[in-house]
Amino acid sequence: SQQGEEDPQALSIQEGENATMNCSYKTSINNLQWYRQNSGRGLVHLILIRSNEREKHSGRLRVTLDTSKKSSSLLITASRAADTASYFCATDANGAGSYQLTFGKGTKLSVIP
Amino acid sequence: DAGITQSPRHKVTETGTPVTLRCHQTENHRYMYWYRQDPGHGLRLIHYSYGVKDTDKGEVSDGYSVSRSKTEDFLLTLESATSSQTSVYFCAISPSGVSYEQYFGPGTRLTVT
Repeated sequence: SQQGEEDPQALSIQEGENATMNCSYKTSINNLQWYRQNSGRGLVHLILIRSNEREKHSGRLRVTLDTSKKSSSLLITASRAADTASYFCATDANGAGSYQLTFGKGTKLSVIP
Repeated sequence: DAGITQSPRHKVTETGTPVTLRCHQTENHRYMYWYRQDPGHGLRLIHYSYGVKDTDKGEVSDGYSVSRSKTEDFLLTLESATSSQTSVYFCAISPSGVSYEQYFGPGTRLTVT
């Protein structure tokens, strides 16, 4: 079963607005990552947040992590048409010898010019 | 795409035929991964490698085998392709395992008729 699940599945906003996507997961993690995928392309890493961090920023991206609720959110501020893509959260399993990331099904973001 | 190439980029094959997909990296990263991406399932790990000749199974490994004889190449083989293996296949690399970001190749679209 999927470790991470994004919500909503699809989101449509106007250019300039903020976009918020959420991710929930089931088991303890070492870190959580967010990736972007443009149509027909491979995934691109956006940001990694460790389990002992609560918030992290990178440019227009803000990620929060609440380990007590097993959830994370990705906020994109002042969205642009170029932000149109699918966004995935990915988690590792907090266990020795685990080399696997588990991806959610993604949130499809459409930014309307 | 961070020094990762996949070949072929597109392939159509018939049920029952063997297929080999190649991932080549120029980054000298230790970890390499094969994923498949399907609508409704997101990205799922097939196999991964943590060094030359060191591989392990992922979530959906049945029907697939892998080999890694050199640091730069990771091969995914479908011994006898089935229609359920129609998918987009992504290779990814990572310098230091699951707690670090992964860099993805451009993908291979495989259709099994």
